Amino acid sequence: EAQVTQNPRYLITVTGKKLTVTCSQNMNHEYMSWYRQDPGLGLRQIYYSMNVEVTDKGDVPEGYKVSRKEKRNFPLILESPSPNQTSLYFCASSSPSGRSPYEQYFGPGTRLTVT
Amino acid sequence: SQKIEQNSEALNIQEGKTATLTCNYTNYSPAYLQWYRQDPGRGPVFLLLIRENEKEKRKERLKVTFDTTLKQSLFHITASQPADSATYLCAFRGDSSYKLIFGSGTRLLVRP
Repeated sequence: EAQVTQNPRYLITVTGKKLTVTCSQNMNHEYMSWYRQDPGLGLRQIYYSMNVEVTDKGDVPEGYKVSRKEKRNFPLILESPSPNQTSLYFCASSSPSGRSPYEQYFGPGTRLTVT
Repeated sequence: SQKIEQNSEALNIQEGKTATLTCNYTNYSPAYLQWYRQDPGRGPVFLLLIRENEKEKRKERLKVTFDTTLKQSLFHITASQPADSATYLCAFRGDSSYKLIFGSGTRLLVRP
């Protein structure tokens, strides 16, 4: 089954404690992205990756890091989480080819609370 | 900057009626628009893509139009059902090939 997986699904942490949210896709997609979703603000892109070892900033990259060492994985790293990073996070993957180019396949989401 | 706007007010309609959702964009001319459905606490699910040279696209009870003059896309659900209740998001690819810009979504509630 084609899917994007994220772990953990729920996480409560404290300010300053480094954390990593993993993301993996099994569709051999070139592109992967991280979004955060906040009430009234919609989905905002944090970082995206066009392929292995190629990443770029989205609209809200401050406080986040990413890496793309393998095509299937795109972890999101919060080096020193702060309460304003409390949000619902989604990973997504897509491909430029096919009938619906750049159709985003989203993961189930990770709800992060930073206290 | 490129902006995409959806009606933030929820749309409340009776089962069987046609729901029409609006997506307006400014400061850009996207090559295509996408529509997604999102249920509470879950990731968005892709529904339809319409290109700038297509006036209309249909998929079962769904219909999307794209008016590049008005800078607007309309999303219709005919014969709506309570199961159609969800938030619907529109999105377009920005000036970077890899960046997708989303609207904040419109919540649809279909009453039985």
